[in-house]
Amino acid sequence: DTGVSQDPRHKITKRGQNVTFRCDPISEHNRLYWYRQTLGQGPEFLTYFQNEAQLEKSRLLSDRFSAERPKGSFSTLEIQRTEQGDSAMYLCASSLASGRSTDTQYFGPGTRLTVL
Amino acid sequence: SQQGEEDPQALSIQEGENATMNCSYKTSINNLQWYRQNSGRGLVHLILIRSNEREKHSGRLRVTLDTSKKSSSLLITASRAADTASYFCATMNTGFQKLVFGTGTRLLVSP
Repeated sequence: DTGVSQDPRHKITKRGQNVTFRCDPISEHNRLYWYRQTLGQGPEFLTYFQNEAQLEKSRLLSDRFSAERPKGSFSTLEIQRTEQGDSAMYLCASSLASGRSTDTQYFGPGTRLTVL
Repeated sequence: SQQGEEDPQALSIQEGENATMNCSYKTSINNLQWYRQNSGRGLVHLILIRSNEREKHSGRLRVTLDTSKKSSSLLITASRAADTASYFCATMNTGFQKLVFGTGTRLLVSP
């Protein structure tokens, strides 16, 4: 399967700890997105990269959150000093910006974070 | 924040019946997309309709878009138990790459 993969699938942590999630996009895709989804809601945009450049960040992405895509391939999302309100599903998506069709985003299975 | 609202919030039907879900949004869009999400899992892309299109079909799916009313509908014909999932509309606004999702419709198809 060459879809978007995320690791880990589940993470349980204690409040105040740091966590890091990884996303591997579809191999030829140059755009990568992070979204957060809480129970009963639709996903909310956090940030996106084109290649290694982070081009847009939501105000939801507080200074405790940082995302990187160092070589324009995989990406990591780190949350420092986690809070109970950070408990959510973190979804990664990727797309191919090729001029004609840049809009379909393909999602990974998500990382479910529980902060105790 | 969520861009739009979906209606109904929940829908329960029998296998073989059609299911219609509606989505309303607030701003001008480049395109609108529908996704399916099975419980606790990632989203599966179903169909994309651009702002200059009015209707699109894909298998048992039919999507309409009315930009004057800022609304869209998703019709699933001859539903199956495997169609049980949450369905989300998402808009991509002109000049932006992010998707703005609605609140979703939970569909239950009973055998």
